[in-house]
Amino acid sequence: QQPVQSPQAVILREGEDAVINCSSSKALYSVHWYRQKHGEAPVFLMILLKGGEQKGHDKISASFNEKKQQSSLYLTASQLSYSGTYFCGTEISRNAGNMLTFGGGTRLMVKP
Amino acid sequence: DAGVIQSPRHEVTEMGQEVTLRCKPISGHNSLFWYRQTMMRGLELLIYFNNNVPIDDSGMPEDRFSAKMPNASFSTLKIQPSEPRDSAVYFCASRATWGQHSYNEQFFGPGTRLTVL
Repeated sequence: QQPVQSPQAVILREGEDAVINCSSSKALYSVHWYRQKHGEAPVFLMILLKGGEQKGHDKISASFNEKKQQSSLYLTASQLSYSGTYFCGTEISRNAGNMLTFGGGTRLMVKP
Repeated sequence: DAGVIQSPRHEVTEMGQEVTLRCKPISGHNSLFWYRQTMMRGLELLIYFNNNVPIDDSGMPEDRFSAKMPNASFSTLKIQPSEPRDSAVYFCASRATWGQHSYNEQFFGPGTRLTVL
């Protein structure tokens, strides 16, 4: 079943922060985050594995709460380049055939 | 590494015609995925292969769609006959098997924008 992302869309001013959530009805092994700019392919941001770790990439970080079956992506001091659609992809098992199930996406627009 | 390669990048065809989309995965990756993306339905998994074997094709819309992976470096997605509702961006993605790499991210190709008139 497809994970649920929230919010569906968010508009920020440059320098503001945002949080994007991804929730699953199933226990998860890993969560993958991607960003897609208009007219381009999704680009990998980071993977979070079972264990509740938090990762960071520049001013973008994420957490994974396996008990709650959810992950959150944190965008700090947003830049214009952060605009795009963010997708989470979930994996329920290491042996689930390498398949990711993607959420519906969160559209992020950063304005000057 | 050239990344995942897809061809053609754009395809415009008329209803009823056969369409073949092509994909070359990243060398060493043994999982290959075909996705379709539309505004209405988002990113949908159509079919995926592990070691050239189709594992799950439950996302294939109907019998008009078929996919093959004759070897580790090539896959095709065919639509016959095509219909206007097939218009979408089709992405191919590849991924390495668990255990061979530290990070098993999935890499997407640039996509094929299909328009069926």
